[in-house]
Amino acid sequence: DTGVSQDPRHKITKRGQNVTFRCDPISEHNRLYWYRQTLGQGPEFLTYFQNEAQLEKSRLLSDRFSAERPKGSFSTLEIQRTEQGDSAMYLCASRADRSNSPLHFGNGTRLTVT
Amino acid sequence: AQSVTQLDSQVPVFEEAPVELRCNYSSSVSVYLFWYVQYPNQGLQLLLKYLSGSTLVKGINGFEAEFNKSQTSFHLRKPSVHISDTAEYFCAVSDSSGGYQKVTFGTGTKLQVIP
Repeated sequence: DTGVSQDPRHKITKRGQNVTFRCDPISEHNRLYWYRQTLGQGPEFLTYFQNEAQLEKSRLLSDRFSAERPKGSFSTLEIQRTEQGDSAMYLCASRADRSNSPLHFGNGTRLTVT
Repeated sequence: AQSVTQLDSQVPVFEEAPVELRCNYSSSVSVYLFWYVQYPNQGLQLLLKYLSGSTLVKGINGFEAEFNKSQTSFHLRKPSVHISDTAEYFCAVSDSSGGYQKVTFGTGTKLQVIP
């Protein structure tokens, strides 16, 4: 169990640029989640994958956001035309298929939009 | 819909003193409950979880929590805190009815242990 890995740890970008983040879940976990966390807030749900299928998307996920999990393993989260309000920590988590399994989080990608 | 309320945004406490971090939840179905801890610039780590059975749950680092269904609470306690417990703590709820089981987090409580 090598844990959930996220890359990069930090990303600074200028407003209007596109960014892409990667998440490698724990290998035997088929459920993968993306959350966003801003200062002083708890993690807010963005989207959920079971294997390669994206089964749920939050209303927080505007049209500029897209997530994929092409082979049911790693996942990417892309933000197009970034805005200053996108500045946040983006957290990836995975969990096993058992109904009571907890989420295992990566260390997150901190995005700063200038 | 489910929600979590953490009543205290910050809790200062002296080292070796006891602490209680409060959490109340709302859900129309049966739930699983979790406490996570987050150290600066890191992801969240699971402290403990309530799935079923005994309402008193013990976790790592000497923490425990008690599930109270009538009060819809899941307060976190530690009898004697250490400097290393300084962190942010998040309560979370997940419905137990199957499906994709969205996990909803509270806004967090920052625990500051004072030497």
